[in-house]
Amino acid sequence: DTGVSQDPRHKITKRGQNVTFRCDPISEHNRLYWYRQTLGQGPEFLTYFQNEAQLEKSRLLSDRFSAERPKGSFSTLEIQRTEQGDSAMYLCASSSRGDQPQHFGDGTRLSIL
Amino acid sequence: TQLLEQSPQFLSIQEGENLTVYCNSSSVFSSLQWYRQEPGEGPVLLVTVVTGGEVKKLKRLTFQFGDARKDSSLHITAAQPGDTGLYLCAGGHQAGYQKVTFGIGTKLQVIP
Repeated sequence: DTGVSQDPRHKITKRGQNVTFRCDPISEHNRLYWYRQTLGQGPEFLTYFQNEAQLEKSRLLSDRFSAERPKGSFSTLEIQRTEQGDSAMYLCASSSRGDQPQHFGDGTRLSIL
Repeated sequence: TQLLEQSPQFLSIQEGENLTVYCNSSSVFSSLQWYRQEPGEGPVLLVTVVTGGEVKKLKRLTFQFGDARKDSSLHITAAQPGDTGLYLCAGGHQAGYQKVTFGIGTKLQVIP
C-alpha cells in the first residue's frame, strides 16, 4: 500500500510566478487535506475535501490560492502571483473517514526568490 | 494563533535518558494525535488517543491523554538517537478529524 504522494518535492520560483502542486492520496481515502508549514511552526490547515467536494477553507487560503479535486482522487493546489510569504512546506494528508487519523505525504517545499 | 502549546520547544539529551514532553490547551479535544517529523519529510502518525485518562504504549513511548481531554504527554524511556525528530501533537475538534490543530512541536535531539 503506497502512502500519500506529493509532487514536486521541491519548487523554486520567482516572485509573481504561478505554481501548482499535486497530491495523490492513499487509494480509497476519500478525505484529503492541505496544510502549510513554515519553519519552526506546526502544520496549519488550509483546506479539506470529501471526495470531490471542497468542504472547508481556512482564512489562510487567500484569493491567490485555489485547490481542486476534480475526480475525487488526486488534488492540486495552485498559487497564483506568488509572494515571498508563500515560501513554506505544503503538506497533503488523507484519511479514510472523518474519524480516522490523517496520513501525511512528504510535502512540497516552495521557495520564492 | 496556536491553540495547543507544547513544551519544551527544544530538548537535547544523552542516549539512555528518559524524557517527557507536554501538550496543553484550554480547549477540549475529541481526540489527540502525536506525530514525529524528520527534516524534509511529512509528519508520521505515532498514536491516537480518544478517551480522557487513556494511556497507550508504543515500545519505549508512553502516551497519556488528560482526564479533561485538554492535555497530553509523551514519555520516552531510554532514548535512542533514532528518536531524534520533531514531535507534534494535534488536537481533533468536534466528533471527527476534519479540523485538526497542531502544536508548534518539540524538537528532540538524542546525542549518542
